[in-house]
Amino acid sequence: TQLLEQSPQFLSIQEGENLTVYCNSSSVFSSLQWYRQEPGEGPVLLVTVVTGGEVKKLKRLTFQFGDARKDSSLHITAAQPGDTGLYLCAGPLSGAGSYQLTFGKGTKLSVIP
Amino acid sequence: NAGVTQTPKFRVLKTGQSMTLLCAQDMNHEYMYWYRQDPGMGLRLIHYSVGEGTTAKGEVPDGYNVSRLKKQNFLLGLESAAPSQTSVYFCASRKGAYNSPLHFGNGTRLTVT
Repeated sequence: TQLLEQSPQFLSIQEGENLTVYCNSSSVFSSLQWYRQEPGEGPVLLVTVVTGGEVKKLKRLTFQFGDARKDSSLHITAAQPGDTGLYLCAGPLSGAGSYQLTFGKGTKLSVIP
Repeated sequence: NAGVTQTPKFRVLKTGQSMTLLCAQDMNHEYMYWYRQDPGMGLRLIHYSVGEGTTAKGEVPDGYNVSRLKKQNFLLGLESAAPSQTSVYFCASRKGAYNSPLHFGNGTRLTVT
């Protein structure tokens, strides 16, 4: 059972378009993290959100944590080819303490020049 | 500062062979993790360690063993490789605080024929 469901699974858009990807769960998470992974490399952390309703911005990327802390979204404004990659959300498994992080399956984004 | 280094980068094994994947981190991190990444399955936790001399099972531990004899190293062993273990393996480490980011290596691509 995947605790974190990400949608869409694949997204292909033109340069300059806006997009939103989602990370949803039926469970409450104390925090969520977003990572970006490029081909042949390991994931790299983009942001951590910890407070329900929190909004964080990283240049053209806007991250939001749901009020109930069960979901998060990533919005990209004016996408660029450099945004291409696999976007993963991750959160701590409460039953296993904070040691284990579970990941969603990811959204594979392609930005076409 | 190398971060997290995984060796080897690529490996082909025949069914029944054994091998060890090495992960080394130079950030003095307490926690270390082994994940596998398969198409459509996301990142799944195999084993993890919360300190030197300790290991614990993750989501998919069967067929794997680990050791953490030194704080900076985390070894993943396959005693009798099976085709189902064909995957990309990622090692990660983090400082210890529950919101601290995971730092990933660049992965080992393993094929079992």
